[in-house]
This record gives sequence, C-alpha cells and structure tokens, in this order.
Amino acid sequence: AQKITQTQPGMFVQEKEAVTLDCTYDTSDPSYGLFWYKQPSSGEMIFLIYQGSYDQQNATEGRYSLNFQKARKSANLVISASQLGDSAMYFCAMRELGTGGFKTIFGAGTRLFVKA
Amino acid sequence: NAGVMQNPRHLVRRRGQEARLRCSPMKGHSHVYWYRQLPEEGLKFMVYLQKENIIDESGMPKERFSAEFPKEGPSILRIQQVVRGDSAAYFCASSPRETSGTDTQYFGPGTRLTVL
Repeated sequence: AQKITQTQPGMFVQEKEAVTLDCTYDTSDPSYGLFWYKQPSSGEMIFLIYQGSYDQQNATEGRYSLNFQKARKSANLVISASQLGDSAMYFCAMRELGTGGFKTIFGAGTRLFVKA
Repeated sequence: NAGVMQNPRHLVRRRGQEARLRCSPMKGHSHVYWYRQLPEEGLKFMVYLQKENIIDESGMPKERFSAEFPKEGPSILRIQQVVRGDSAAYFCASSPRETSGTDTQYFGPGTRLTVL
C-alpha cells in the first residue's frame, strides 16, 4: 500500500539559513512521482517541485531542491536561504503511475517557522 | 488564464442541511479531483472526474457524498445531511488530461465548510 510519512510536525529555521524537510514513502510500484506543496496560512496549495522515480538527477526549482534517495525511499525537500515568507505548512505527496490509479497521497505535513 | 476557481470560499451549514461546493477547472482542463483536508492533517483524495464521468471515487464516503462534472458548468461536490465531522477544507484540483508523470494538478483555493 502506498504511504507517505513526514516525521517532523514542526521545524524552526533562522532566516537566510537552509532547512531540510523530511519525507519517506512506501510503494511497490516501480513507477511513481513525488511532489512537494506549500500551504501558507491563507490556505491555498502551491506546487513547488516534482521528482519522477526514474529521474537520474535530483529536481531543483529555484531555492527548492529535492534530495531523492531511491534506495532509502526518501524525498526530502531542501529550502536554501530561507525567507520569512517560507513560513507555511509543507506537504509531501506521491502518485503511483503504474497501479495507483489517479489519486495523489499526501503526508501529514510539516509546519515551518522562519525566524528573523 | 484564470486558475482553478472554487466557491464559496467559506460555507456554514447547520447539521442536517445540504452543502454544495463548486469547482471551475482551469481553462482547457477537463479532469477534476476533489480532496478533503481535516484540521492539522494532509489532503485526502476523494474523487476523480472527467466531463460527465466519475473515474475513481474510491475516496468518497459511501453515504451522503456525491460528485458530478457536467458537460457544461462547474464540478459540484454535494454533501447531504451534513454532520459536524464534515467540517473541513475541500480542495479541487484540475489537470489538462489524465494526470501522469510530471502532469501537475493545479489546486483551487479551497472551500472551508463549517458545520454548526
């Protein structure tokens, strides 16, 4: 069964420092996609970054990078040079591309607090 | 190009009433997904629809909940005889086609349902 685990309910980081948000997943499907979304206090879901299971390189999008370790089934999000506006909930998500149908499974989220 | 639209943004209902949540996908998108987010939790998949068809409703509660995506007009998530446990944020997402690989689901701002 597919599963996403985010073990950090809350994280603090100093402004301008880097922070890593952990995500582990479980799937038996060799073909899957991993996503990170940001949910600020206003409530909308903002897509940040995507990693495919067959991608050879770690995905990067501006200050966001995904540390993909396939053997460990982890897909940690790294935010470099944190900004106050990065304070939000962050959700890791997975979609099985072979057998998972059409649903995206979300983790419970990590709340990030950026300190000035 | 407007994003995914959801209305109302906030909805208050008394126990036993009906709640209707609307979602207009992005222009050119014909696939709609509904998710529910309980307080302090991640999103849970409910249903996936294409125009006039329900493709996957494996996440829908068996009773009181229904969804449709007519040929014309928005997708509707309908909750009959609401109970306090239905209080949650309901998110709609759309994609231009059956989501696979890097196809991203674009989320609307959500409807926050409060049942008194």
